[in-house]
Order: sequence, then structure tokens, then C-alpha cells
Amino acid sequence: QKEVEQDPGPLSVPEGAIVSLNCTYSNSAFQYFMWYRQYSRKGPELLMYTYSSGNKEDGRFTAQVDKSSKYISLFIRDSQPSDSATYLCATGTNAGKSTFGDGTTLTVKP
Amino acid sequence: DADVTQTPRNRITKTGKRIMLECSQTKGHDRMYWYRQDPGLGLRLIYYSFDVKDINKGEISDGYSVSRQAQAKFSLSLESAIPNQTALYFCATSDSSTAEQFFGPGTRLTVL
Repeated sequence: QKEVEQDPGPLSVPEGAIVSLNCTYSNSAFQYFMWYRQYSRKGPELLMYTYSSGNKEDGRFTAQVDKSSKYISLFIRDSQPSDSATYLCATGTNAGKSTFGDGTTLTVKP
Repeated sequence: DADVTQTPRNRITKTGKRIMLECSQTKGHDRMYWYRQDPGLGLRLIYYSFDVKDINKGEISDGYSVSRQAQAKFSLSLESAIPNQTALYFCATSDSSTAEQFFGPGTRLTVL
């Protein structure tokens, strides 16, 4: 079993829709929770970073962590065609390594 | 200029050839990583280094080796390339105080 499982997708939504991307993890030692966005033919770039349970909001993006159920989510409000990309969840510990989900490819249609 | 650079960006080679992928960073980070990305398999860690004298195997190190020539440089070698090493390879860096990683643009490697 993988340490981080990500809903596989792909996901296709109309412009303006609310998008929900989800991951589960198995290791209680994970302390850092991240979402990366990867555009086609580019390297991943950090989108959201959180250290604790609860919600973190940045513009149209909200990251949600529930440590009790080992569940992490990314919500995108008012989705735009420019949000079309692959989204990778990641978790990490103080040891420095991160473990990545397999990614969910999102397409937002105009 | 990009903070994390990778060379080459694309490479086509033949089975059995030795290949070196290079990574340089200007972020001043101590930690550097090499990943490969395959469709549907996400990012898998090959090797990582927390400082110049520290090298560690990741989950898929067989068939690969690395060299940390300086704080800013981390090279990945395929001693004898095989077709199932065809993939997208990413270098990443991080500071010791955070889990956030900064990725290079990737090297697309094809082994025929």
C-alpha cells in the first residue's frame, strides 16, 4: 500500500465550477502537507503548504487537513481554464523527505 | 534566471550507454533530490542529499548513481541505460527548515 493515495482522475469541469481534489495518507508521523501544481512540460511548483489540521486559504484555493482521518483536500473555487494542470499532494516529516501522490489531472473547460 | 536548472532538457540514447544528468541551483539550499516521473506513477525518489557529504538512496535507486560535487551541484548517472529508464527526471532542492521543495524544469530521457 502506498503511503499517500490520491484520487486518480482525470477530472474535467466547466469554468466557474468548484473543484475538490483529495488524498489520504497512512503515516501518522507526517507533519507537513502540501499541494503542488504541475503544468504540462514543467516542473511541479508549490501551491499550498500547511503544518496542522484545519483550513488554509489563499485566494481561490483552500487546503484542508484532517489528521484524525489522515485526509487532505484542495478546493478550487471559481475554477478557470488557467487552473488546468496536474495537482500533486505531498506529505513530509522533519526528516526532510516528502512523499507524493500520483497526481490528478484537471481540465477546466471554457 | 531559473533558480534550479537541469541539463540536458531532452536526451535520446541507446541501451547500454552511460548518461549523466546535471542539476545546478542558486537558491543556497543544502538539500537536493532526484526524482523520476512516469505516467500514472507520480514522483518517485531516486536519491537525495542533505549536504555535500551526505548521499542517501531513495525508493528506486537501482541502476542509478549520484554525485554531489558542491552544495549547488547534484548529478545523476545511469551507468548502463535500459529502455525502462525512459522517463521524465526532476531535480529539486529544499532548505533544511521547511519541507517545501523547488523543482527544476525536468529532463526528458528516452532510452531506445
